[in-house]
Amino acid sequence: DTAVSQTPKYLVTQMGNDKSIKCEQNLGHDTMYWYKQDSKKFLKIMFSYNNKELIINETVPNRFSPKSPDKAHLNLHINSLELGDSAVYFCASSPPWGRERYGYTFGSGTRLTVV
Amino acid sequence: AQSVTQPDIHITVSEGASLELRCNYSYGATPYLFWYVQSPGQGLQLLLKYFSGDTLVQGIKGFEAEFKRSQSSFNLRKPSVHWSDAAEYFCAVGAGFSGGYNKLIFGAGTRLAVHP
Repeated sequence: DTAVSQTPKYLVTQMGNDKSIKCEQNLGHDTMYWYKQDSKKFLKIMFSYNNKELIINETVPNRFSPKSPDKAHLNLHINSLELGDSAVYFCASSPPWGRERYGYTFGSGTRLTVV
Repeated sequence: AQSVTQPDIHITVSEGASLELRCNYSYGATPYLFWYVQSPGQGLQLLLKYFSGDTLVQGIKGFEAEFKRSQSSFNLRKPSVHWSDAAEYFCAVGAGFSGGYNKLIFGAGTRLAVHP
């Protein structure tokens, strides 16, 4: 009954590889997000999609490409991985403003390690 | 620009003691404020949120927070800390923009350690 699920939970890969992280939510939310948590635990938004439409792109390198096949899924594909991409990536979802008094539900995170 | 400051990077309290985690925000309009908790290796769990109305907000796990507009603060409190409260705590402000969809801007977090 996981509300926001991410796969994989851990990902170890070499520099230069391409990898994807998948996210699915079963809450019926319209908006989904990707956040990056760096080694100092700082959380920063990367992307946001609303009903499959990109609405936030926070100056993330072009190597990162989100894809939303439907409003319940938001995947993150990363090309040519670099050491600095090592972080924990969190997926989240939310209803629109004014509905259910708003709030994010986060997934459990994907720890990406680039070696 | 919107921002959130959590002045304390690391706090240690004894089990049973009271707790207050500080949060200051910078936001032009009425803020939507949140506190999240992250246990080691886990995702973020919402503790409580403030949108409007009563400035003292009750959350889960016995936590509460008070919104003080004059001080631009939203401090988190708990009267008696349990060892299981040891975690990272994040304050966040909802930064709305056109279209009504928004992002959360997080503080840097406060790591809470609890001594037995």
